[in-house]
Amino acid sequence: QSVLTQPPSASGTPGQRVTISCSGSSSNIESNYIYWYQHLPGTAPKLLIYTNNQRPSGVPDRFSGSKSGTSASLAISGLRSEDEADYYCAAWDDRLSGVVFGGGTKLTVL
Amino acid sequence: QVQLQESGPGLVKPSETLSLTCTVSGDSISSFYWSWIRQPPGKGLEWIGHFFYSGSTKYNPSLKSRVTISADMAKNQFSLKLNSVTAADTAVYYCARDRGGYSSSWYDCWGRGTLVTVSS
Repeated sequence: QSVLTQPPSASGTPGQRVTISCSGSSSNIESNYIYWYQHLPGTAPKLLIYTNNQRPSGVPDRFSGSKSGTSASLAISGLRSEDEADYYCAAWDDRLSGVVFGGGTKLTVL
Repeated sequence: QVQLQESGPGLVKPSETLSLTCTVSGDSISSFYWSWIRQPPGKGLEWIGHFFYSGSTKYNPSLKSRVTISADMAKNQFSLKLNSVTAADTAVYYCARDRGGYSSSWYDCWGRGTLVTVSS
């Protein structure tokens, strides 16, 4: 059972917009920054979003992040086949005094 | 360009100690925080812990009694030791750079990961 809760799966067709949620608590998402990672099997995870809603250089603006209270979300617009991957949210947890990850969401592009 | 490379045995016997090293190039480990993260087969990512060059370390409470993260500043490497391993410690182990500071999870550079299997 992960401290941050994500739906195990999500799907969409090419060109669609999909949203992946990440639910936490006052000790993690509400009081600290949220980060999002894209993970393709056999590769290193890739930073997609940092400090809630910022994109590193090289990440397309199709990816966006937001946070409100104890929840956060990652939105992917103009879905493409190469977006098929696992997505993880992460945050520092003040109560545990450590980093917590969501359980991951497997995105399928139909 | 910053690169991280994990190295160490791919097979460890139960009850023994898992030892991995992360070699960093393109940056000094005297900057930022440096972390170990793992992913058991079929499961999600799990933070193991981090260290800062000052000697400050922080570990996942669930692993704290078995984990040590240390560094060799001269070699620009940092290491993970996990003792008394069981099959539940079988995972791909990643090292990563956290550019956000103590209470952050801003991993902008990762190693490719190394699979460690615990089996007799």
